[in-house]
Order: sequence, then structure tokens, then C-alpha cells
Amino acid sequence: TQLLEQSPQFLSIQEGENLTVYCNSSSVFSSLQWYRQEPGEGPVLLVTVVTGGEVKKLKRLTFQFGDARKDSSLHITAAQPGDTGLYLCAGPKLVGGYQKVTFGIGTKLQVIP
Amino acid sequence: KAGVTQTPRYLIKTRGQQVTLSCSPISGHRSVSWYQQTPGQGLQFLFEYFSETQRNKGNFPGRFSGRQFSNSRSEMNVSTLELGDSALYLCASRHGTSSYEQYFGPGTRLTVT
Repeated sequence: TQLLEQSPQFLSIQEGENLTVYCNSSSVFSSLQWYRQEPGEGPVLLVTVVTGGEVKKLKRLTFQFGDARKDSSLHITAAQPGDTGLYLCAGPKLVGGYQKVTFGIGTKLQVIP
Repeated sequence: KAGVTQTPRYLIKTRGQQVTLSCSPISGHRSVSWYQQTPGQGLQFLFEYFSETQRNKGNFPGRFSGRQFSNSRSEMNVSTLELGDSALYLCASRHGTSSYEQYFGPGTRLTVT
């Protein structure tokens, strides 16, 4: 069982459409990070959300942290082929006295021209 | 500032062999974490090093080991390779232990035949 559940796992849409992907947990996180990973490369950090209810915008990407800090969403407006990739959410959890970063399994997005 | 570098990028090994992967973090970053990424399991945490000390370890067998040098460069070693060890191995660095924003290298694609 994943501590961070991401949905949907796969998404294929046409260029210009809007979409939302979700990252949910039953645990409270002090912060959540969103990454995008392209094939053959490592994940690239997009944003960190820290405060419950926080909304951050990065061009056409809007990130929201749930009020209870248990979930987050990523909304993409007018998707473009360059948005294609694996979107991962991640957050720190205390394990064995140290904070360990745990990742969701990701949402694989394909934007068709 | 140069990003995280990993060598080699691709590696093919035979069952039973051992392998050493290398990671150079961003200059000034003292924390290095290693992850295994497979399509079915996503990113699985292997271990984290900070100032040459292993701070945390994931649920992997003892065949997986690592170390960090005084210049923060890190290596991970996998002994007695199994077919299931085929994966993308990612290294990530961060400045300290208070920030959970990680910067990933491009990964080493390991194929075990």
C-alpha cells in the first residue's frame, strides 16, 4: 500500500484540454513536493506546498494543498505536448527517528498534438 | 551551478555479478539519497547519506549498500545481482536535512541478464 496514492495512474488527452491529477493520503504531511519526470531522465522539482489550503501557480500549472494537509492536486490548463511526462508527488514522513521522503507511484500523462 | 551527475548512465550485467554506481551531488549539497525506480513499484527509497553517515535505510536486502565520501560524492553497490534488480537507479541531493526539495540526477539504467 502506497502512503501517497496518485490518481489517475494514466491519462491521455488532446492538446488544449484541461486536466487534474490527485495525490491523496490518510496521513498529514508537513509539506508535499511535485515533480515531473521525462523518459530516460530523473524527476525535476516543480513546486513545494507547505500551508494547508495553499495554492501555487507555475504558468499553466496550478498546485493546491488540501486544508488538512493530507492531499494535493495539480491542475493543468490548456495542456501542451511538452507537458507529457510522469508527475510524482512526494512528502516527508518520520521513520526511525529521521524524516524519509516517500513518493507516490505517479500519474503518466500523454498530451497528443 | 552543475546539477547532479550519475555514472554510468547505462549498464548491463549478468546475474551473480556486482555493480557500483556513482553520484556527484550539486556543489554544497551534503545529503545524498538513492532510489530504485521500476514501472510496477515506482520510486523506492534505498538509503540516505549525510556527512558520510547513513541516516536512513529503506526495505532492501543487505546486497544493497552505499557510502559517502568527504566531498559528498556517493556510491552504491549491489552484490550478487538478480534479474529483479533491473531498474533505473536515481540519486538525489539536497542542501541539508531541513529541506525536502530534492534534485535528481539522470539515473543509471541497470539491466541484469
